[in-house]
Amino acid sequence: QLQLQESGPGLVKPSETLSLSCTVSGGSISGSSYYWGWIRQPPGKGLQYIGSIFYSGSTYYNPFLKSRVTISVDTSKNQFSLKLTSVTAADTAVYYCARSTAMVNPRFDYWGQGNLVIVSS
Amino acid sequence: SFELTQPPSVSVSPGQTASITCSGDKLGDKYACWYQQKPGQSPVLVIYQDTKRPSGIPERFSGSNSGNTSTLTISGTQAMDEADYFCQAWDITTYVVFGGGTRLTVL
Repeated sequence: QLQLQESGPGLVKPSETLSLSCTVSGGSISGSSYYWGWIRQPPGKGLQYIGSIFYSGSTYYNPFLKSRVTISVDTSKNQFSLKLTSVTAADTAVYYCARSTAMVNPRFDYWGQGNLVIVSS
Repeated sequence: SFELTQPPSVSVSPGQTASITCSGDKLGDKYACWYQQKPGQSPVLVIYQDTKRPSGIPERFSGSNSGNTSTLTISGTQAMDEADYFCQAWDITTYVVFGGGTRLTVL
């Protein structure tokens, strides 16, 4: 059974960089046809797509966040990571990593349990 | 930019049919999928490619997509179906787009 697990700090100061990792177990990131994505959910609000990466390193970012987002992959660790720069209180959210079946017309069929990140001094 | 609109809330009596809509410009020309999210849990995919159910999703969940509207239908709604539901589609300019979510209450 595929499992995804987010990890990273739960508190980040304003203007600093938010960094999270997602470790995949029960399957390999490498050589598969899947994309690996990040989605966030502010408390009490809806889901917002952040971006996705293919094992080869190809990335797609939400245009509204693109200037601040970097997603990378480490196939040797079966992990992919998110960096979000210059954070503000508006970036406070539960951050989910998830597997998507494709980049065009994707569906997210496996999700991590989520990592709450609070932006506060 | 492409946007998806859902009603904030829908109520249904146990055993009845619940319909949750998701509207977007020419949504019927795209594939829609739906997620269920219960409090404190991660979203779960319940419908993909407009009408398909992933393995393990009960048959009472069904979907349709035509024109500007995708609809998630839950037949014989049970108390366990009370949750937030999000639609999602893909657009060439904004990539993955989610609707704002609908809170389903089973009264």
